[in-house]
This record gives sequence, C-alpha cells and structure tokens, in this order.
Amino acid sequence: AQSVTQPDIHITVSEGASLELRCNYSYGATPYLFWYVQSPGQGLQLLLKYFSGDTLVQGIKGFEAEFKRSQSSFNLRKPSVHWSDAAEYFCAVGVPEGGGNKLTFGTGTQLKVEL
Amino acid sequence: EAQVTQNPRYLITVTGKKLTVTCSQNMNHEYMSWYRQDPGLGLRQIYYSMNVEVTDKGDVPEGYKVSRKEKRNFPLILESPSPNQTSLYFCASRRRENQPQHFGDGTRLSIL
Repeated sequence: AQSVTQPDIHITVSEGASLELRCNYSYGATPYLFWYVQSPGQGLQLLLKYFSGDTLVQGIKGFEAEFKRSQSSFNLRKPSVHWSDAAEYFCAVGVPEGGGNKLTFGTGTQLKVEL
Repeated sequence: EAQVTQNPRYLITVTGKKLTVTCSQNMNHEYMSWYRQDPGLGLRQIYYSMNVEVTDKGDVPEGYKVSRKEKRNFPLILESPSPNQTSLYFCASRRRENQPQHFGDGTRLSIL
C-alpha cells in the first residue's frame, strides 16, 4: 500500500524568506501527486498537482514543487513567503485502486510565518 | 459557483443519537469521498463513491454508513455515534480518477 510522509510537523519562517516543505512517498510506480493548503476553519485548497511530464510544476500563490523519482519526493517550495501563507499544508498521493483512484494524505506541516 | 456544500458545519450531540451529515456538489462529479481529520493523523478516507449506487470502504469505515442515490448527494450517516467519532469531517468530489478533489468547508462533530 502507498504511504506519504511529511517529516516536519511544524515549520517557522520569517516573512520574505524562502520555504521548502518536504514530502516523501512510498509506492511501486509513479503516483499522482498533490499539494493542498488548509487555512484555519476552512477546507483544503489545491495548490498544485503532478501527473506526468515536466517534473517542476507551478501552482497558485507562487508555489512550485519538484518531483524527484530517485528520491520518491515531491517537495513544495516558495521563494519568498508572505504572512498570509501561514496555514497547514498537506501532501497527497493518488494511486489506481479498485477501478478508481485512492488518495492518501500525509499528516500535514503547520507553517508559521514570523513578521 | 462550483462548490461542495456540507451541513451542518458544527454539531454537538450525545452518544447513540443517530445523525446525518449532508454533502452536495454542483459540478456533476462522479467521484465523492468522506474524510475525517484528526490532529497528527492528517486526513483519512472513510468511504468513497465512484458513481450513483457505487460505494466502497476507505481506510476507517467502522461506525459509518453512506449512500449515493443521486449523483450530487453523498450523505454520511452515524447510526450510533460514539465519542471516538469526534472529529472534523470533509466531503470531497472530483470528476475523474486522476483529477484533483474539491473539498467542502468541513463539519466539526463533537460526540459527548
């Protein structure tokens, strides 16, 4: 079965600093990969996704992520963090299962931005 | 506006009192899912549905039921709620198997 690991539970960065959130997955083939963001009291919003092709994907709000097959990783990056980026971030992998597509989430990384 | 709507947003109830959380989507999506979110555990899938009258168990289905009589609706039923079902619940939908999910705003359930 597939699994997703987000090794950092909490991360604190200063506004304007760069950000990298780590995500590693375990699966025998290349899965579909997603990053979602959750602001307090709200649902999850899709930041970006990777299905195939170019391993560097661009998302909304200035985020990007790079798929590295050799490392089974899909790390999320942003060159300059804004205070409004403070939220919880979830990495997810989708794999074919039972004629559908099973989505498995990581446990999340809580981002705090210091002004 | 494309959206997934859950009701209620908040509910406090007592052990054993049956409850239903409704979920409706207006995007004509085939796939719908229910998740629960607990601190330190991320989101775990409870049940999913690939189309009308087609449902299957996710990772944590015990104590829950679902139905999919219409494409737009996917209610979550707790026949006899217990305190360990206190959690934040999300409904989600997507068009096809490899498309991103659209999430509702969540339902916070407290079972006393």
